Amino acid sequence: GAGVSQTPSNKVTEKGKYVELRCDPISGHTALYWYRQSLGQGPEFLIYFQGTGAADDSGLPNDRFFAVRPEGSVSTLKIQRTERGDSAVYLCASSAGQTHSPLHFGNGTRLTVT
Amino acid sequence: AQSVTQPDIHITVSEGASLELRCNYSYGATPYLFWYVQSPGQGLQLLLKYFSGDTLVQGIKGFEAEFKRSQSSFNLRKPSVHWSDAAEYFCAVGDTGRRALTFGSGTRLQVQP
Repeated sequence: GAGVSQTPSNKVTEKGKYVELRCDPISGHTALYWYRQSLGQGPEFLIYFQGTGAADDSGLPNDRFFAVRPEGSVSTLKIQRTERGDSAVYLCASSAGQTHSPLHFGNGTRLTVT
Repeated sequence: AQSVTQPDIHITVSEGASLELRCNYSYGATPYLFWYVQSPGQGLQLLLKYFSGDTLVQGIKGFEAEFKRSQSSFNLRKPSVHWSDAAEYFCAVGDTGRRALTFGSGTRLQVQP
């Protein structure tokens, strides 16, 4: 079946601009996660949704970052006033509802802020 | 706060040789432990996980890992490496209270013919 789909695969934007990154999880997966992976590092947790609500947003670095999942399926990560330090690969993962069910990752969106 | 250390940034092994990738974690209680693999152009894929019970866990692609509480370690092993195993490997830890995983910084595996 289809895996987790992330669009776009690459995004180049200028400092100060607004960007949206989209994630289509595996159908039926109630849990959705966003992670950020900087060069040479492991993924870093940003936010977790259970259904439509953000159950844990403790990883969002500041108020420029926001994510939504209005219908409990597709999610959008929104970054305002982008900074060069936001450049990274943004990973989305989904899983079935149980705690620590295996995460299924998308291929990520590579964001470059110039 | 929990943390994960993968001491080896880069490892090169010959095809057919055995492999051990190290992972040390810091967490007060019994952790949930995972190994993920990231191949070029591919998303992270779960190799295996440990929650409780038998401390030696078997995963996909012939990998296994052993949980050693006394050493706070969860090392990944494979008896005979294949060229297709070349990838980046991440150890991760989770706890009972949160869904978020904490990942190590990864070990890049190169396989020589």
